Amino acid sequence: SQKIEQNSEALNIQEGKTATLTCNYTNYSPAYLQWYRQDPGRGPVFLLLIRENEKEKRKERLKVTFDTTLKQSLFHITASQPADSATYLCALDLDDYKLSFGAGTTVTVRA
Amino acid sequence: GAVVSQHPSRVICKSGTSVKIECRSLDFQATTMFWYRQFPKQSLMLMATSNEGSKATYEQGVEKDKFLINHASLTLSTLTVTSAHPEDSSFYICSASGLAGYTDTQYFGPGTRLTVL
Repeated sequence: SQKIEQNSEALNIQEGKTATLTCNYTNYSPAYLQWYRQDPGRGPVFLLLIRENEKEKRKERLKVTFDTTLKQSLFHITASQPADSATYLCALDLDDYKLSFGAGTTVTVRA
Repeated sequence: GAVVSQHPSRVICKSGTSVKIECRSLDFQATTMFWYRQFPKQSLMLMATSNEGSKATYEQGVEKDKFLINHASLTLSTLTVTSAHPEDSSFYICSASGLAGYTDTQYFGPGTRLTVL
């Protein structure tokens, strides 16, 4: 069956450091993968979409890589700030524009 | 752009009553809307997919007679939890897709916290 795994439930880092989050999947061949940010008690907010033919994508301090051979995406937050503290979700496309979400990784950036 | 609203943001109801949640795309026409449920510390679970003017498609294990979905226009979808019970207490989130140039992306509402007493 299809499975999405995100690394450790929680990641604690010092302000200014780079946070690296992992999203691994099995039994999938997604055309694209997305990353969302979710704050407590709020709906997810779209961050980045990367397609299967793209190796890397950047948006400000965010960088996403997509390795379809390893079936893995890495999500980097560089020069992290306390305001980056949130839960980050990866999502893979299914048929008919549906998305399947990972359980998320909660990032806490210490000042 | 791509703003999605939900109403109400929080609702508390008695067991056996019905609750309606509205989802609106405010600045684009949503070809498809999705309804999710999220339990504490868990990921989003897709409940159903709806397209304007047609019946919703429910995921396996989701009771369509209990969770009624109406997608009357390109900007409004409603989810009605009928005869709610305490086990229906959860965080319900809708999303909408169809923004020109970003059709693969879902834009989420802020969510509705349902508590059934």
